[in-house]
Amino acid sequence: AQTVTQSQPEMSVQEAETVTLSCTYDTSESDYYLFWYKQPPSRQMILVIRQEAYKQQNATENRFSVNFQKAAKSFSLKISDSQLGDAAMYFCAYSEGTGTASKLTFGTGTRLQVTL
Amino acid sequence: DAGITQSPRHKVTETGTPVTLRCHQTENHRYMYWYRQDPGHGLRLIHYSYGVKDTDKGEVSDGYSVSRSKTEDFLLTLESATSSQTSVYFCAISESGREIEQFFGPGTRLTVL
Repeated sequence: AQTVTQSQPEMSVQEAETVTLSCTYDTSESDYYLFWYKQPPSRQMILVIRQEAYKQQNATENRFSVNFQKAAKSFSLKISDSQLGDAAMYFCAYSEGTGTASKLTFGTGTRLQVTL
Repeated sequence: DAGITQSPRHKVTETGTPVTLRCHQTENHRYMYWYRQDPGHGLRLIHYSYGVKDTDKGEVSDGYSVSRSKTEDFLLTLESATSSQTSVYFCAISESGREIEQFFGPGTRLTVL
């Protein structure tokens, strides 16, 4: 079975600084997708960014970018110019290829605190 | 925002009672999912559906059943609730051809006393 590991239960960053959240995963598949979801106190799950395993280029969405290391099975999230609104739980997730139901496997989450 | 609602949003019940949670979508998406969220575990898949009357088990399906009689509704039933089923339950949907893009509902907090 696939597993997703987030080894940092909590992280803290100052406003306007950069922070990196770590994620590792285990799979024997070659075709899969990786995601970072944000969960603010409202509890809503919000997709931040996704990466297709067949793409070598790291995904970027505005201030959010990933460092995808396929051989190392590592998928970290970098948040640049951190804002107070970035404070939330962040979950790394894994899913296999399309054409059928996409069953997500989540990590245990990293709580990000943003300080002034 | 994807049109997904969950009802009820909060529920407190007693051990041994049956409970049904409802997920309703207005997007006409083919796939629907139920997850539970517990501290230290992230979200875990309970059951999912790939069409009307087509469902399958996820990682933590014991003690749960589901039904989907219409495209828009996916019901999760706890036949006899236990305290270990106290959790936050999320419904999600995805459409055929874009299965990997899951949109989540607002969640239901269930407490079993």
